[in-house]
Amino acid sequence: ETGVTQTPRHLVMGMTNKKSLKCEQHLGHNAMYWYKQSAKKPLELMFVYSLEERVENNSVPSRFSPECPNSSHLFLHLHTLQPEDSALYLCASSQLSGGDGANVLTFGAGSRLTVL
Amino acid sequence: GQNIDQPTEMTATEGAIVQINCTYQTSGFNGLFWYQQHAGEAPTFLSYNVLDGLEEKGRFSSFLSRSKGYSYLLLKELQMKDSASYLCAVMDSNYQLIWGAGTKLIIKP
Repeated sequence: ETGVTQTPRHLVMGMTNKKSLKCEQHLGHNAMYWYKQSAKKPLELMFVYSLEERVENNSVPSRFSPECPNSSHLFLHLHTLQPEDSALYLCASSQLSGGDGANVLTFGAGSRLTVL
Repeated sequence: GQNIDQPTEMTATEGAIVQINCTYQTSGFNGLFWYQQHAGEAPTFLSYNVLDGLEEKGRFSSFLSRSKGYSYLLLKELQMKDSASYLCAVMDSNYQLIWGAGTKLIIKP
Protein backbone atom coordinates (compact mmCIF):
# COMPACT_ATOMS: atom_id res chain seq x y z
CA GLU A 1 0.00 0.00 0.00
CA THR A 2 1.24 3.45 -0.80
CA GLY A 3 0.00 6.96 -0.14
CA VAL A 4 -3.09 7.53 1.99
CA THR A 5 -5.71 4.81 2.32
CA GLN A 6 -9.23 5.36 3.61
CA THR A 7 -11.82 2.76 4.60
CA PRO A 8 -14.63 2.26 4.07
CA ARG A 9 -15.06 3.96 0.70
CA HIS A 10 -18.83 4.07 1.15
CA LEU A 11 -20.90 4.07 4.33
CA VAL A 12 -24.65 4.32 4.88
CA MET A 13 -25.81 4.77 8.44
CA GLY A 14 -28.88 5.66 10.41
CA MET A 15 -28.96 8.62 12.75
CA THR A 16 -28.63 6.42 15.82
CA ASN A 17 -25.73 4.28 14.58
CA LYS A 18 -22.12 4.42 15.68
CA LYS A 19 -19.50 3.93 12.99
CA SER A 20 -15.86 4.83 12.38
CA LEU A 21 -13.85 5.98 9.40
CA LYS A 22 -10.24 4.86 9.16
CA CYS A 23 -7.26 6.49 7.51
CA GLU A 24 -3.74 5.16 7.15
CA GLN A 25 -0.75 6.92 5.63
CA HIS A 26 2.36 5.14 4.37
CA LEU A 27 4.42 8.26 3.68
CA GLY A 28 6.12 8.85 7.02
CA HIS A 29 4.37 12.22 7.39
CA ASN A 30 4.03 13.91 10.78
CA ALA A 31 0.62 15.57 10.34
CA MET A 32 -2.82 14.20 9.47
CA TYR A 33 -6.09 15.93 8.69
CA TRP A 34 -9.81 15.30 8.34
CA TYR A 35 -11.71 17.36 5.78
CA LYS A 36 -15.39 17.42 4.86
CA GLN A 37 -16.24 17.88 1.18
CA SER A 38 -19.81 18.75 0.20
CA ALA A 39 -20.97 19.32 -3.36
CA LYS A 40 -20.07 22.74 -4.75
CA LYS A 41 -18.62 23.90 -1.43
CA PRO A 42 -15.02 24.52 -0.36
CA LEU A 43 -13.22 21.86 1.60
CA GLU A 44 -13.92 22.28 5.32
CA LEU A 45 -11.07 21.48 7.67
CA MET A 46 -12.35 19.49 10.65
CA PHE A 47 -9.32 18.30 12.62
CA VAL A 48 -5.55 18.46 12.43
CA TYR A 49 -3.11 16.22 14.26
CA SER A 50 0.57 17.06 14.40
CA LEU A 51 2.88 14.47 15.97
CA GLU A 52 -0.23 12.66 17.22
CA GLU A 53 -1.52 15.68 19.13
CA ARG A 54 -4.68 17.45 18.07
CA VAL A 55 -3.72 20.99 17.12
CA GLU A 56 -6.95 22.13 15.55
CA ASN A 57 -10.64 21.52 16.03
CA ASN A 58 -12.65 23.82 13.83
CA SER A 59 -15.83 24.03 15.90
CA VAL A 60 -16.85 20.56 14.81
CA PRO A 61 -19.95 19.10 16.55
CA SER A 62 -19.17 16.55 19.23
CA ARG A 63 -20.94 13.84 17.24
CA PHE A 64 -17.63 13.70 15.32
CA SER A 65 -14.78 12.38 17.47
CA PRO A 66 -11.26 12.00 16.08
CA GLU A 67 -8.59 9.64 17.31
CA CYS A 68 -4.92 9.47 16.33
CA PRO A 69 -3.27 6.46 18.02
CA ASN A 70 0.03 6.91 16.14
CA SER A 71 1.51 8.96 13.34
CA SER A 72 0.27 6.58 10.63
CA HIS A 73 -3.35 6.13 11.65
CA LEU A 74 -6.30 8.46 12.05
CA PHE A 75 -9.90 7.63 12.88
CA LEU A 76 -13.13 9.60 12.80
CA HIS A 77 -15.75 8.16 15.13
CA LEU A 78 -19.32 8.97 14.17
CA HIS A 79 -22.30 8.96 16.54
CA THR A 80 -25.90 10.17 16.20
CA LEU A 81 -25.24 11.97 12.94
CA GLN A 82 -27.71 14.15 11.07
CA PRO A 83 -28.70 13.90 7.38
CA GLU A 84 -26.80 17.15 6.70
CA ASP A 85 -23.61 15.33 7.70
CA SER A 86 -23.84 13.33 4.48
CA ALA A 87 -20.70 14.21 2.52
CA LEU A 88 -17.33 12.95 1.35
CA TYR A 89 -14.85 12.78 4.24
CA LEU A 90 -11.26 13.17 3.10
CA CYS A 91 -8.19 12.29 5.07
CA ALA A 92 -4.87 13.91 4.23
CA SER A 93 -1.31 13.87 5.49
CA SER A 94 1.68 16.17 5.13
CA GLN A 95 5.19 16.69 6.39
CA LEU A 96 5.31 19.82 8.53
CA SER A 97 8.85 21.20 8.53
CA GLY A 98 8.28 24.27 10.67
CA GLY A 99 9.64 26.45 7.91
CA ASP A 100 8.01 28.59 5.28
CA GLY A 101 7.93 25.99 2.57
CA ALA A 102 4.89 24.58 0.86
CA ASN A 103 2.78 22.31 3.03
CA VAL A 104 1.67 19.89 0.32
CA LEU A 105 -1.19 17.64 1.32
CA THR A 106 -1.53 14.06 0.13
CA PHE A 107 -5.18 13.05 0.20
CA GLY A 108 -6.94 9.74 0.42
CA ALA A 109 -9.79 8.95 -1.97
CA GLY A 110 -12.36 9.65 0.74
CA SER A 111 -15.21 7.92 2.51
CA ARG A 112 -18.62 8.73 1.04
CA LEU A 113 -21.02 8.96 3.99
CA THR A 114 -24.80 8.89 3.67
CA VAL A 115 -26.89 9.48 6.78
CA LEU A 116 -30.50 8.34 6.53
CA GLY B 1 -13.77 37.49 5.84
CA GLN B 2 -11.56 35.30 3.73
CA ASN B 3 -12.72 34.29 0.29
CA ILE B 4 -11.56 32.34 -2.74
CA ASP B 5 -13.49 32.70 -6.02
CA GLN B 6 -13.24 30.41 -9.01
CA PRO B 7 -15.75 29.55 -11.75
CA THR B 8 -18.08 26.68 -10.93
CA GLU B 9 -17.80 24.96 -14.31
CA MET B 10 -15.96 25.33 -17.60
CA THR B 11 -16.12 23.48 -20.89
CA ALA B 12 -13.29 23.14 -23.40
CA THR B 13 -12.42 21.09 -26.47
CA GLU B 14 -9.84 18.33 -26.68
CA GLY B 15 -6.54 19.69 -27.96
CA ALA B 16 -7.35 23.28 -27.01
CA ILE B 17 -6.11 25.53 -24.19
CA VAL B 18 -8.11 26.53 -21.12
CA GLN B 19 -7.41 29.00 -18.33
CA ILE B 20 -9.01 28.56 -14.92
CA ASN B 21 -8.97 31.72 -12.82
CA CYS B 22 -8.81 32.06 -9.06
CA THR B 23 -9.13 35.32 -7.13
CA TYR B 24 -8.59 35.55 -3.41
CA GLN B 25 -9.03 37.84 -0.44
CA THR B 26 -7.22 36.49 2.59
CA SER B 27 -5.58 37.80 5.74
CA GLY B 28 -2.00 37.46 4.63
CA PHE B 29 -0.51 35.22 1.99
CA ASN B 30 1.93 32.34 2.27
CA GLY B 31 1.40 30.63 -1.05
CA LEU B 32 -1.26 29.40 -3.46
CA PHE B 33 -1.93 25.80 -4.40
CA TRP B 34 -3.75 24.08 -7.24
CA TYR B 35 -5.07 20.54 -6.85
CA GLN B 36 -6.77 18.27 -9.38
CA GLN B 37 -9.59 15.96 -8.33
CA HIS B 38 -11.08 13.36 -10.66
CA ALA B 39 -14.59 12.24 -9.80
CA GLY B 40 -14.51 9.74 -6.95
CA GLU B 41 -10.79 10.13 -6.43
CA ALA B 42 -8.39 11.91 -4.12
CA PRO B 43 -7.34 15.50 -4.83
CA THR B 44 -3.75 15.50 -6.09
CA PHE B 45 -1.24 18.33 -5.90
CA LEU B 46 -0.54 20.20 -9.14
CA SER B 47 1.35 23.38 -8.29
CA TYR B 48 2.48 25.85 -5.65
CA ASN B 49 3.16 29.56 -6.25
CA VAL B 50 4.52 31.92 -3.62
CA LEU B 51 6.24 34.48 -5.84
CA ASP B 52 4.73 36.43 -8.74
CA GLY B 53 5.06 34.93 -12.16
CA LEU B 54 4.50 31.82 -14.18
CA GLU B 55 5.49 28.30 -13.15
CA GLU B 56 5.45 25.77 -15.96
CA LYS B 57 5.18 22.04 -15.47
CA GLY B 58 4.62 20.17 -18.70
CA ARG B 59 1.18 20.91 -20.17
CA PHE B 60 0.16 22.72 -16.99
CA SER B 61 1.25 26.22 -15.92
CA SER B 62 0.24 28.29 -12.92
CA PHE B 63 0.45 32.06 -12.66
CA LEU B 64 0.36 34.32 -9.61
CA SER B 65 -0.07 38.06 -9.09
CA ARG B 66 0.00 38.84 -5.38
CA SER B 67 -0.79 42.54 -5.88
CA LYS B 68 -3.99 41.60 -7.72
CA GLY B 69 -4.92 38.64 -5.52
CA TYR B 70 -5.13 36.55 -8.67
CA SER B 71 -3.93 33.25 -10.03
CA TYR B 72 -4.71 31.11 -13.01
CA LEU B 73 -4.08 27.54 -14.04
CA LEU B 74 -3.38 27.10 -17.74
CA LEU B 75 -3.89 23.70 -19.34
CA LYS B 76 -2.53 23.19 -22.85
CA GLU B 77 -3.16 20.45 -25.42
CA LEU B 78 -6.20 19.31 -23.49
CA GLN B 79 -6.83 15.61 -23.18
CA MET B 80 -10.01 13.81 -22.17
CA LYS B 81 -8.29 12.71 -18.96
CA ASP B 82 -8.04 16.39 -17.92
CA SER B 83 -11.78 16.32 -17.18
CA ALA B 84 -11.77 16.88 -13.43
CA SER B 85 -12.34 19.47 -10.74
CA TYR B 86 -9.55 21.94 -10.10
CA LEU B 87 -9.24 23.30 -6.56
CA CYS B 88 -7.52 26.57 -5.69
CA ALA B 89 -6.30 27.09 -2.12
CA VAL B 90 -4.41 29.92 -0.42
CA MET B 91 -2.32 29.66 2.73
CA ASP B 92 -3.01 32.68 4.92
CA SER B 93 -0.80 34.44 7.46
CA ASN B 94 -1.58 31.74 10.06
CA TYR B 95 -0.57 29.02 7.60
CA GLN B 96 -4.20 27.94 7.34
CA LEU B 97 -5.41 26.74 3.94
CA ILE B 98 -8.42 28.62 2.55
CA TRP B 99 -10.11 26.65 -0.23
CA GLY B 100 -12.18 27.62 -3.23
CA ALA B 101 -15.24 25.55 -4.13
CA GLY B 102 -13.47 24.13 -7.19
CA THR B 103 -13.94 24.41 -10.94
CA LYS B 104 -15.38 21.44 -12.78
CA LEU B 105 -13.70 21.20 -16.18
CA ILE B 106 -15.51 19.29 -18.91
CA ILE B 107 -13.51 18.31 -21.99
CA LYS B 108 -15.45 17.58 -25.17
CA PRO B 109 -14.08 15.67 -28.17
